[in-house]
Amino acid sequence: QSALTQPRSVSGSPGQSVTISCTGTSRDVGGYNYVSWYQQHPGKAPKLIILDVSKRPSGVPDRFSGSKSGNTASLIISGLQAEDEADYYCFSYEFGYNLMFGGGTKVTVL
Amino acid sequence: QITLKESGPTLVNPTQTPALTCTFSGFSLSTPNMGVAWIRQPPGKALEWLATIFWDGDRRYNPSLRRRLAITEDSSRDQVTLTLIDVNPLDTATYYCVHTPYSGYDVHFDAWGPGILVTVSS
Repeated sequence: QSALTQPRSVSGSPGQSVTISCTGTSRDVGGYNYVSWYQQHPGKAPKLIILDVSKRPSGVPDRFSGSKSGNTASLIISGLQAEDEADYYCFSYEFGYNLMFGGGTKVTVL
Repeated sequence: QITLKESGPTLVNPTQTPALTCTFSGFSLSTPNMGVAWIRQPPGKALEWLATIFWDGDRRYNPSLRRRLAITEDSSRDQVTLTLIDVNPLDTATYYCVHTPYSGYDVHFDAWGPGILVTVSS
């Protein structure tokens, strides 16, 4: 069982917005502004799409955004597109240098 | 441009101690604030961080696997090696080599290798 809790799946139609939550504790998500998010297409390596809660690396579309409130971080995909169908993982540092991923969320574009 | 590639045995017998090698380019592990990590993913399951080695030789391990992992570097060859001790079928996974810039608690992974599937079976 992952220490960071994500919904198993979310879905939306093209053009809609979807939100993926990532819930931890004050020792990880709530204690540091360093949550990152990774997108993984089937058979491919993960790709960094959000770092430091809300920063986008160069080349990542601005329809991907991140936020955090208390012990829960969120990834928002606005204007959902077919190529956004993938698995998404959140990640956080935990006090004492333990690094944790969430259980992953499958995004389906209807 | 940073690139990484994993190599090593793809089929391993239980109780063996395989070594996985990461060969990278586009950065030097001798440069301050550089790090290389290993992350694995069992088939159909989530990602799991295993270990990181930094430019200054500092090593960090997943506490739950600490006794079964060893990470080393060969800066002259731009390679990092992860050794798994006494493997069992639960270690079957795709193993990724990843670049991680060092910045205290700000840990993230900004470049990934394609991964290598390691199957543990007799």
